[in-house]
Amino acid sequence: NAGVTQTPKFQVLKTGQSMTLQCAQDMNHNSMYWYRQDPGMGLRLIYYSASEGTTDKGEVPNGYNVSRLNKREFSLRLESAAPSQTSVYFCASSGVGVSYEQYFGPGTRLTVT
Amino acid sequence: QKEVEQNSGPLSVPEGAIASLNCTYSDRGSQSFFWYRQYSGKSPELIMSIYSNGDKEDGRFTAQLNKASQYVSLLIRDSQPSDSATYLCAVEYGNKLVFGAGTILRVKS
Repeated sequence: NAGVTQTPKFQVLKTGQSMTLQCAQDMNHNSMYWYRQDPGMGLRLIYYSASEGTTDKGEVPNGYNVSRLNKREFSLRLESAAPSQTSVYFCASSGVGVSYEQYFGPGTRLTVT
Repeated sequence: QKEVEQNSGPLSVPEGAIASLNCTYSDRGSQSFFWYRQYSGKSPELIMSIYSNGDKEDGRFTAQLNKASQYVSLLIRDSQPSDSATYLCAVEYGNKLVFGAGTILRVKS
């Protein structure tokens, strides 16, 4: 059981470039989440998917899009990267009937220059 | 605006002491509360969940919940240098979690 996996681990982009962060979970969880973490600001929710086929905005969705490809996979896309999107991105998942316990992937450290 | 407040610290305790970490939240409707531990450069790791008023113990960790005061705490007994990390409090709002900014704990040997 790998849990939650994310690729890539590190990425450097130039302003205006695009990229997709990949996330997959093998715990048969229904819900998946994307967060960003910045120094002193804690984890902030970007988008989430309560179940396969649904996605919703979180606290900081501007500049991002998501796709729930299937029950296992949830991707985050930056269409035109900006320096303000320099951050650490975490994917998480949670299952039905466990009262929203979330389990996190290892993270992607993104730098936009 | 759903808020979760934590003292940023750092909280410094000597090895073997009890570390007490606190968290307050704004929404009385929340039913689920969590503590995560995050080592530097790593992802958050779930260490405790609590859903009812009172205490819940797991090894050296005790979570305490007081819904009337909108307060949740984490006690770490016999603190070890390996407990040095940032501790994040998370509160359920609907089907999402809102996280506090975290408290840095330093355990001195």
